[in-house]
This record gives sequence, C-alpha cells and structure tokens, in this order.
Amino acid sequence: EVQLVESGGGLVQPGRSLRLSCTTSGFTFGDYAVNWVRQAPGKGLEWLGFIRSEAYGGTTEYAASVKGTFTISRDNSESIAYLQLNSLKTEDTALYYCTRANTGNYAGHFDYWGQGTLVTVSS
Amino acid sequence: DIQMTQSPSPLSASVGDRVTITCRASQNINRWLAWYQEKPGKAPNLLIYKASSLESGVPSRFSGSGSGTEFTLTISSLQPDDFATYYCQQYNTYPITFGQGTRLEIK
Repeated sequence: EVQLVESGGGLVQPGRSLRLSCTTSGFTFGDYAVNWVRQAPGKGLEWLGFIRSEAYGGTTEYAASVKGTFTISRDNSESIAYLQLNSLKTEDTALYYCTRANTGNYAGHFDYWGQGTLVTVSS
Repeated sequence: DIQMTQSPSPLSASVGDRVTITCRASQNINRWLAWYQEKPGKAPNLLIYKASSLESGVPSRFSGSGSGTEFTLTISSLQPDDFATYYCQQYNTYPITFGQGTRLEIK
C-alpha cells in the first residue's frame, strides 16, 4: 500500500525555520517525483514545488512565491522527501501536503497524498 | 502563470442529479488537467487525470472532458458521498496551478 506521511509541523515564530519530512512506503521512492502543496485555513490548494526522481537528477522547480525561501530535497536511501521552510511569515500558516507525482520527470498529477502537517507561524 | 477559473461556486444539487463543474484555463493546457475531490479533514483525492482518464477505484459516475482551455467534470447521478469540494489542476506549465475550488452542497 502506497503511503506518504508528513511530519515536522508545529508552532513557529515569524522569521524562524522549519523542516518538514515526507516519509514514504509501498513504492519505489526513487522512481517518482514528489510535490509539496499547501492549504491555508479555509483556502484553496497552492503548489509550492517539486523534486524530480533520482533518474532525472533530483532537480527542483518552485513556485515564485517560495523560490529562494523554501527548499525541497530527498533522501532516496530512506525514501523521504523534505521541505525546508526558511524566513517564515504569518501567511505561511497552512496545512502542508506532500504528494506523489505519476512520473519521475514532471510534476504531473498527484495520485497519492499524505494526510498533511500543520504549520502555524505566530509570535 | 496560468489562471484556472472554476464555475459555479458554490453549486447546490440533490441526490440523483446530474451535475457539471467547469474549469477554464487562461492559456492552452492541451489535456494536462486533473480533478480532485476534497472532504473536510481529509487530503484531496485524485478523480480524473489527463482531462478524461478515470483514476483507478473512482466510481464510473465521475467523468471528465475537454481540451485546450475549457474542461468539465460531470457526476452523472449524485450520491450522498459526493458532497465535497472539487478542484481542477493544470500541469501543462510550471508553476502548477489549481482552480479556486467548487463546493458542492446539498440543496
């Protein structure tokens, strides 16, 4: 069974950093791209970026709104993807999801999602 | 960025109704469009990909159509479990973008 489980969320002060993890199982992690998507309270879905599979160099693409402050990485040996959140602002408060792309090279459509981890940015 | 606009929102309907949700893209996205269903407290669930391909395990009452800039999601006969929020997503061009969501409510 394919599973993605996010962790690492919590309450953090503005300007601080946080690293989210996406621990996966049930599939060959290295073959797939992984996306990160967030949803602010009561709002819609916002794509943050993705990381290509090992075969495509593990390169990344980001939304302009987070480029330079958020960083996606992966550890193929542990089947975990990460989202590093730096210089956090109150508007970054959201539920953060990792999702599996249906391909290794493109963000694609998202066939599996984690349950999300909540990040609250507040002083 | 490609803007995705869904209509209507919200949408009120009754069990057994046939409903259609429209998603319009601000540029040509070919057929690179997916539809998701979201229920309160749960992650979105993939329904349709590549505009009209039904994801495995999704009931056949769901169907998608369209290409270019205009797409539709149709539910042929609404079931109680279908009252939820629906999102379209384009994956033709980065950044990936979603529609604003359509909340399907019980009439």
